[in-house]
Amino acid sequence: GQQLNQSPQSMFIQEGEDVSMNCTSSSIFNTWLWYKQDPGEGPVLLIALYKAGELTSNGRLTAQFGITRKDSFLNISASIPSDVGIYFCAGQPNSGGSNYKLTFGKGTLLTVNP
Amino acid sequence: AAGVIQSPRHLIKEKRETATLKCYPIPRHDTVYWYQQGPGQDPQFLISFYEKMQSDKGSIPDRFSAQQFSDYHSELNMSSLELGDSALYFCASSWGVTGNTGELFFGEGSRLTVL
Repeated sequence: GQQLNQSPQSMFIQEGEDVSMNCTSSSIFNTWLWYKQDPGEGPVLLIALYKAGELTSNGRLTAQFGITRKDSFLNISASIPSDVGIYFCAGQPNSGGSNYKLTFGKGTLLTVNP
Repeated sequence: AAGVIQSPRHLIKEKRETATLKCYPIPRHDTVYWYQQGPGQDPQFLISFYEKMQSDKGSIPDRFSAQQFSDYHSELNMSSLELGDSALYFCASSWGVTGNTGELFFGEGSRLTVL
C-alpha cells in the first residue's frame, strides 16, 4: 500500500518558536490533509490542500501541497503551549467519487516548553 | 456544529468475547470510515461505506464486520476478540458526493481493552 514518510518523529521547542514538519510519499496524492490529535481523542482537521503548489493558512498554521504532489509541509508560527500534541499528515489518492479513505503518516509529536 | 458521535467511549471485554461499536456521522454525511489506532501508532483504515454499501476495505480482520444503516449510522462488530484488538477505534464521516472536498471528520473514538 501507499506509505507516507513523516518527519520529524518528535520535536521539543520553546514557546514562541516556529515549527516545521513534512510528509513525503513515493506515489501521488490528490489531496493532503493535516490533523492534530490530543491523547485519547480523535484527530482534528487543521488544513486541507487540494491543488499542487497550493499554500493555505489557518491562523498560525501554514501548509503547502508540493508541486510533485508527493509531499506536503506544515508550519506553525509562534508556538504556544496548547500546540502540544501529535500532528499527522494524511493523503487521499482518489479525487471525486465516494471513496476518500486516508493514508496517515506516522505522526510528529510536538512538545512546547513554556 | 454537530460532530461524529461514537459509542461507547470505553469498552472492556474478555478474550473471545464480542463487541459492537456504533458511529453516528455528521448530519448529511453519507460516507463513514472506520480506523483502528494502536498505542503510539497512526490510524489504520479498516473499512468504509457510502450510501449504505461497502465502498472500500482495508486491513479489517475477518473476525470483524461492519455495516451502514438506512439512517447512515454504522456499527463495527468484532468477534472472537484477541488481546491485539485492544486499540482506539475511530469513525470518520464525509460527504461523498463527486466533486466534494473529501474532508474526513473524526469522532472522539472508542477505546477497546481486551483482557
